[in-house]
Amino acid sequence: AQSVTQPDIHITVSEGASLELRCNYSYGATPYLFWYVQSPGQGLQLLLKYFSGDTLVQGIKGFEAEFKRSQSSFNLRKPSVHWSDAAEYFCAVGAGGNKLVFGAGTILRVKS
Amino acid sequence: SQTIHQWPATLVQPVGSPLSLECTVEGTSNPNLYWYRQAAGRGLQLLFYSVGIGQISSEVPQNLSASRPQDRQFILSSKKLLLSDSGFYLCAWSGTSGSYLEQFFGPGTRLTVL
Repeated sequence: AQSVTQPDIHITVSEGASLELRCNYSYGATPYLFWYVQSPGQGLQLLLKYFSGDTLVQGIKGFEAEFKRSQSSFNLRKPSVHWSDAAEYFCAVGAGGNKLVFGAGTILRVKS
Repeated sequence: SQTIHQWPATLVQPVGSPLSLECTVEGTSNPNLYWYRQAAGRGLQLLFYSVGIGQISSEVPQNLSASRPQDRQFILSSKKLLLSDSGFYLCAWSGTSGSYLEQFFGPGTRLTVL
């Protein structure tokens, strides 16, 4: 069965520092991968997605992610974090049958 | 453009009372619809999904049920709420062609069962 692991429950970075959030997936075929962001008390917003092609994908708000098949990873990165990036981030993989499987999430704190 | 609405935004209910949460989508036809529950620190759990009117798939046996009486309306219900039903409920939709796996989420309903 498909699964997603986000190893870091919490991450704290300084404003202006770079960010990398880790995501590992388990899926037999070529995966469809997503990163979503959730501000407190809000729904989820799609940051970026990977379906095929270039393994480095660009998303909204200056985020990017790189698909590495050999490592079963799809890590999210941002070169310079802003205080407004503080939120919870979810990685997800397409699980067949029109469904997504989500990781447990990583809470990002930004310190000034 | 497509929009998704959920109501109510917040709800406090006593144990044993009924529940009805509503989700509607505008600007698209025949969407796939989903109900998720998000408990504190536990990510998203898929509860139900629907590929058409009257077609409901349940992912987890529980105290809840779902219905889809119209193409763009998805309802989550319970006859008798339990304390464990507390959480943040999210509705989502996706298309049925192209990037059909990409899901778009509503603003959520915070349910507290006392």
